[in-house]
Amino acid sequence: LAKTTQPISMDSYEGQEVNITCSHNNIATNDYITWYQQFPSQGPRFIIQGYKTKVTNEVASLFIPADRKSSTLSLPRVSLSDTAVYYCLARGYNTDKLIFGTGTRLQVFP
Amino acid sequence: GAVVSQHPSWVICKSGTSVKIECRSLDFQATTMFWYRQFPKQSLMLMATSNEGSKATYEQGVEKDKFLINHASLTLSTLTVTSAHPEDSSFYICSAWGGQRDQPQHFGDGTRLSIL
Repeated sequence: LAKTTQPISMDSYEGQEVNITCSHNNIATNDYITWYQQFPSQGPRFIIQGYKTKVTNEVASLFIPADRKSSTLSLPRVSLSDTAVYYCLARGYNTDKLIFGTGTRLQVFP
Repeated sequence: GAVVSQHPSWVICKSGTSVKIECRSLDFQATTMFWYRQFPKQSLMLMATSNEGSKATYEQGVEKDKFLINHASLTLSTLTVTSAHPEDSSFYICSAWGGQRDQPQHFGDGTRLSIL
């Protein structure tokens, strides 16, 4: 399974757009890139996933360049409630095993 | 969206007790369920993978006799922590996957286990 690397922490202010970049140099051809959000004392919550180019849903966008060696999660106009840990993972095609890295701790200030 | 229910959400028990945690997929059939543990301020660590009707596959370093996993149906998996000790205190989280490539895993809300 491809190892992912992302910043340990990020700070932002309410109303700003936040972009969290994840590096996955060894991603396999068929792996999906998946992002989860986790609040303290809760299980991770699925945000978005993609294979290539751009994916958008009601809460976020995911940008994946052609070489798929990195991806960027974009959160538009964050609020205080977006303060959480965000995990980027490469989801294996054959096993669906997820290996969690350190995640990015996002702190949103008023 | 897909819902995974985990029960209990919180349990405190004495050292030497066995504790069972249930994980249910409420609105889909889970061909595979996963169990994780998470220590404070750390990331999730995969403990084992279980497929319905099969023996669980444990990650390296996880004692299969200590952490018994049963996945008897497509909607229920259980994790039993046998003869629990204070070092087993942790946050245990399950996830479920329906087997379709374009669908992600969905997680329960975790069980806080405290062993006195």
